[in-house]
Amino acid sequence: EVQLVQSGAEVRKPGESLRISCQGSGYKFPSHWIGWVRQMPGKGLEWMGIVFSGDSDTRYSPSFQGQVTFSVDKSISTAYLQWSSLKASDTAMYYCARVAAGRNDPFDIWGQGTMVTVSS
Amino acid sequence: DIVLTQSPGTLSLSPGERATLSCRTSQHINSMYLGWYQQKPGQAPRLLIYGASNRATGIPDRFTGSGSGSGRDFTLTISRLEPEDFAVYYCQQYSASLWTFGQGTKVEIK
Repeated sequence: EVQLVQSGAEVRKPGESLRISCQGSGYKFPSHWIGWVRQMPGKGLEWMGIVFSGDSDTRYSPSFQGQVTFSVDKSISTAYLQWSSLKASDTAMYYCARVAAGRNDPFDIWGQGTMVTVSS
Repeated sequence: DIVLTQSPGTLSLSPGERATLSCRTSQHINSMYLGWYQQKPGQAPRLLIYGASNRATGIPDRFTGSGSGSGRDFTLTISRLEPEDFAVYYCQQYSASLWTFGQGTKVEIK
């Protein structure tokens, strides 16, 4: 079964760092792009960007450029989303999703989401 | 950035009725790069339609996607609403180097 499994919910204080993960299985992980999507409480989906699992090539949305970092460890089929200094406004559900085939394809497989809560 | 505007914001319908959801892009896109997703409360989104009109694996044929010749207007039609279809629907373009989602249409039970 093709799936993406994300790490569990996190609670942090403002200014702290955080890395969440997304592990793929059931397919050739290095052959696909992985995307990250933010969903703030009660709001819609926001495309954060994509990272190629084969070589870590990245595309960031301007809204998130410089605010987060994408990375990949293809040896363990895992993509990461990282913050160096969290803000309260980073409180949201974060989804990873697999790009179906080439770089310009839809997200065909989604992780279950990781809830990040930032509160003092 | 390409902006996607979905309408209406909320659609109140009864089971068995037809739902028509609209997605307009701020500039022309190739229909190959337009998709639709369904999201139910507490769940991750699910791909319904890709390439404007192709159903994803396992999606029932009551879901139909289409696009106008303008390359800016796209429609998702649910022919007869089933109870499990009440959810929020998002369109997405993946044509440019920066992808974007529409703001969503909620289909609720009337």
